Formats: sequence, C-alpha cells, structure tokens
Amino acid sequence: GENVEQHPSTLSVQEGDSAVIKCTYSDSASNYFPWYKQELGKRPQLIIDIRSNVGEKKDQRIAVTLNKTAKHFSLHITETQPEDSAVYFCAASIIGNEKLTFGTGTRLTIIP
Amino acid sequence: DVKVTQSSRYLVKRTGEKVFLECVQDMDHENMFWYRQDPGLGLRLIYFSYDVKMKEKGDIPEGYSVSREKKERFSLILESASTNQTSMYLCASSLVTEAFFGQGTRLTVV
Repeated sequence: GENVEQHPSTLSVQEGDSAVIKCTYSDSASNYFPWYKQELGKRPQLIIDIRSNVGEKKDQRIAVTLNKTAKHFSLHITETQPEDSAVYFCAASIIGNEKLTFGTGTRLTIIP
Repeated sequence: DVKVTQSSRYLVKRTGEKVFLECVQDMDHENMFWYRQDPGLGLRLIYFSYDVKMKEKGDIPEGYSVSREKKERFSLILESASTNQTSMYLCASSLVTEAFFGQGTRLTVV
C-alpha cells in the first residue's frame, strides 16, 4: 500500500519568513495530493491540493509543488502570519479510489 | 456547508466495554472514513466505506469493526475496549477528492 513520509515534524519560523514542508510517497499510481491544516482543538481542513498532471499550484500565500519522478511534493507558505500556526498534514491517493494516506504531520509555529 | 457530526466530543470507557462511535454527514457523500489520530503518528485509517453496507479495512483495523446501514451514518465499534485504543477518533466523508472531517471524539479507556 501507499506510504507517505513527512518532514520536518516540527518547524518554527519568524513571522514574515517562509516555511516549507516536504512529503514523499511510495506508490507511483498516486495522482492526488492534498494538504490539510489542523488548528489547535479543531478538525483538519483542506487548504490546497494538486493533481499529478500539474507541477505547481498557488493560492495566495500558499503553493504546492510536485515532482512525480522523485515522488515528492512540498507545501510552501510565504510571508507567514501567526494564524498559520497549526499542524499540517500531507496526503496521497488515487482519484477514483478515495482512500487517503496521510503523513505524520508537521507542527508549524510562527514566532511573532 | 458540509457537516460531519460525531456523536460525542469526549468519552471515558472501561476496559472490556463495547464502545460505539457514531458519525453522521448531511451532504449525501458516498465515501465515509474512520481515522485514528495519535501524536507523531498522524492520521491512520481504520476502516472506510464507499457505499451502504460496504466496508473496507484500512491500515489498522484490528480491534475495530464498522457499520453503515444508511448512507449518512457510519459507526465505529470497539468490540472490547483496551487501553491502547485511547486516542482521538476522526470521522470523515467525501464525494470525490476533498475529505470533510468531524470534530473528533477523544476516547479514554481506563
């Protein structure tokens, strides 16, 4: 089955700096890669996703890049703000087979 | 707005008890999931269902079973609760890709 590894497990950055979280996956058939954000005490929510026919996708301060050959994808957050502090999870799946396999999560702390 | 509602926010049960965790979604989603969340281990899939009365094992099904008698409701059953099942349990539903999560049930087995 699919295995998703996520690094780092914790990340602290100064407010205004950029943050990068990296994930690798094992199943070359995976073609859908979402990122979820979980604020303290709240449920995970989708913040951005990418499909394997696209190399990069941006939404304001958030971007995701995908390297299919190397089987890794990354989340980039620019101009970080205190409200970006949360746990971020990457995941992988095959569209049509809706089983999402999650990474172990990254706790991001933004230092004011 | 999609709503996925779990019946309890906090539960305390005794070892050996049969425990039912209930989840209801209101968006007519085909797929429903039960995950377990533990620090450092992320979200691990216990069971999922892609249709009424259909179920598939996830990555950690041992000690759990599920029931889906109606499309909107997916139940997780701990047949005989053990202390190593103390965890946060998250239910989710999806139509195609995006998964919508419930608020979670923090289960403590004593």
